[in-house]
Amino acid sequence: DAGVTQSPTHLIKTRGQQVTLRCSPKSGHDTVSWYQQALGQGPQFIFQYYEEEERQRGNFPDRFSGHQFPNYSSELNVNALLLGDSALYLCASSEAWDTGELFFGEGSRLTVL
Amino acid sequence: KQEVTQIPAALSVPEGENLVLNCSFTDSAIYNLQWFRQDPGKGLTSLLLIQSSQREQTSGRLNASLDKSSGRSTLYIAASQPGDSATYLCAVRGLGSSNTGKLIFGQGTTLQVKP
Repeated sequence: DAGVTQSPTHLIKTRGQQVTLRCSPKSGHDTVSWYQQALGQGPQFIFQYYEEEERQRGNFPDRFSGHQFPNYSSELNVNALLLGDSALYLCASSEAWDTGELFFGEGSRLTVL
Repeated sequence: KQEVTQIPAALSVPEGENLVLNCSFTDSAIYNLQWFRQDPGKGLTSLLLIQSSQREQTSGRLNASLDKSSGRSTLYIAASQPGDSATYLCAVRGLGSSNTGKLIFGQGTTLQVKP
């Protein structure tokens, strides 16, 4: 049973560029959430997708957007990259959008130069 | 606004010690609390999930307790081993439609267990 998988694992971008990160949820899970983790900090909630809609959003600018596909996989897009966007981006999935235990992937390490 | 604090930020102990990691939260209106382990540069591994109606959960050498009224949880690790070295994060899920979809994390406690 595959857990949460994310791609790519590492990537380097320059300021102003755009990036797309991908996530496949754990089998049987229909809800995907994205978190940003800066070095030495706890993860910060970006947004959650359920039934192909953004259900909740954290305190992140509109440069951060996402999508969920009919197979429950998800993408996180970040436009106009800033140096401060450098972080580990974590995807989590759960069985229920409001109560399920969260399972995380290994993350995508984004470096913005 | 929910805030989660973990103390201490770092801890170094000799192998074999029993230890306690602390987590406190400011708003007791939570649905559940989850403890995670994170190895350097890696994702989060779920250790224990405690529902708000529960007082504790156990898994192997790990025991997590929850005192919702005082806004505190502790993670007890028995007979620590070098392989337990990692960062331990606690996170709470709030109540209400605007809060239940997300976890609020503490900054973590980085544990080093020396052989």
